[in-house]
Amino acid sequence: QLQLQESGPGLVKPSGTLSLTCSVSGGSITTSNYYWAWIRQPPGKGLEWIGSIFYSGNTYYNTSLKSRVTIAVDTSKNQFSLKVNSVTAADTAVYYCARHGTHGDYEFWGQGTLVTVTS
Amino acid sequence: QSVLTQPPSVSAAPGQKVTISCSGSSSNIGNNYVSWYQQLPGTAPKLLIYETNKRPSGIPDRFSGSKSGTSATLGITGLQTGDEADYYCGTWDSSLSAHVFGTGTRVTVL
Repeated sequence: QLQLQESGPGLVKPSGTLSLTCSVSGGSITTSNYYWAWIRQPPGKGLEWIGSIFYSGNTYYNTSLKSRVTIAVDTSKNQFSLKVNSVTAADTAVYYCARHGTHGDYEFWGQGTLVTVTS
Repeated sequence: QSVLTQPPSVSAAPGQKVTISCSGSSSNIGNNYVSWYQQLPGTAPKLLIYETNKRPSGIPDRFSGSKSGTSATLGITGLQTGDEADYYCGTWDSSLSAHVFGTGTRVTVL
């Protein structure tokens, strides 16, 4: 069974950089026809797609965040990562990593990690 | 604010049926597959329906999905207390070039 696990700091200072890693186990990140994504959920609010990456490195991002976001993949470690620059309190959220198919169905999710932006 | 609109809440007694609507447009639901997710308190979302009306392995047939025009619907029959959760629809929006999710619906079992 495929498993995803987020890791990274739970606290980030305003104007700093949020950095998270998603470790994939039980399967290869180089599997064809699947993309690896980051999704976030502010406390008490809905889901927001941040961006997705294919194992080849091709990425696509939510245009509302694109200028501040970088998603990268490390196939040797079976991991992918997220960086969000210039964070503010509005970036406080539970961040999930997930795998989706070509039709946007998110079948596998990490447990999520809460990142709080605070001084 | 999301481009997919869902009712904030629905409720019904155990054993009854509920339906959750997801209203969008031709740039999203109207021309793309829809998926549905169940999010129990404090947990990650779980895929219930993919490609509009298909159920992943292990999802009971009490859950069903359909689409008509620019709206999609999730149906839950034989409602159980364990179904109390938030439910989200999701799809691709061709105008935004983005994956989008609905506003979410809280299901309460009376």
